Amino acid sequence: QKEVEQDPGPLSVPEGAIVSLNCTYSNSAFQYFMWYRQYSRKGPELLMYTYSSGNKEDGRFTAQVDKSSKYISLFIRDSQPSDSATYLCLTGGTSYGKLTFGQGTILTVHP
Amino acid sequence: EPEVTQTPSHQVTQMGQEVILRCVPISNHLYFYWYRQILGQKVEFLVSFYNNEISEKSEIFDDQFSVERPDGSNFTLKIRSTKLEDSAMYFCARSSGGRDTQYFGPGTRLTVL
Repeated sequence: QKEVEQDPGPLSVPEGAIVSLNCTYSNSAFQYFMWYRQYSRKGPELLMYTYSSGNKEDGRFTAQVDKSSKYISLFIRDSQPSDSATYLCLTGGTSYGKLTFGQGTILTVHP
Repeated sequence: EPEVTQTPSHQVTQMGQEVILRCVPISNHLYFYWYRQILGQKVEFLVSFYNNEISEKSEIFDDQFSVERPDGSNFTLKIRSTKLEDSAMYFCARSSGGRDTQYFGPGTRLTVL
């Protein structure tokens, strides 16, 4: 079983749609959870970082973690074409500094 | 957001050659990491580095790989004898703490022919 599983998509939505991206993880020892965004041929950039179960909101983005079911979600409201990228869910905490990546979901928001 | 610079942006090498990939993080970050991403695959952890020592390495990080921070600034990844399967994007990352947010550089695309 993969440590972090993420549907690679691709996912295509119209501008203004609400986007839901999801990951599951297998290791209950993971302590913190992140979403990164990666544009083509660029390095990943941080969107959201959270330690605990529950919701964390930042602008149009909401990260949700449910540790009991080992489920991580990212919601994007009022999606824009500039949101078109690969979205990566990551976990950490089993060892010092090592991050475990999901496969990444390719999102396209069309005008 | 503080920047991480990586050089070169693209490196082409022949199989069996040595390559050195460089990362220039801001000076007050103490934790450094290398990750790689083979085309079409997920990003994979290679190694973490703290206080001039390797903290952890993955099974990918075998004897062909080494890391160092020779001048207290640049953080390098050396691959001694490159193989075709080493072709990938290599990302450097740094953080101020071992459990803090990691900031990634733009990557070096390594092509082994």
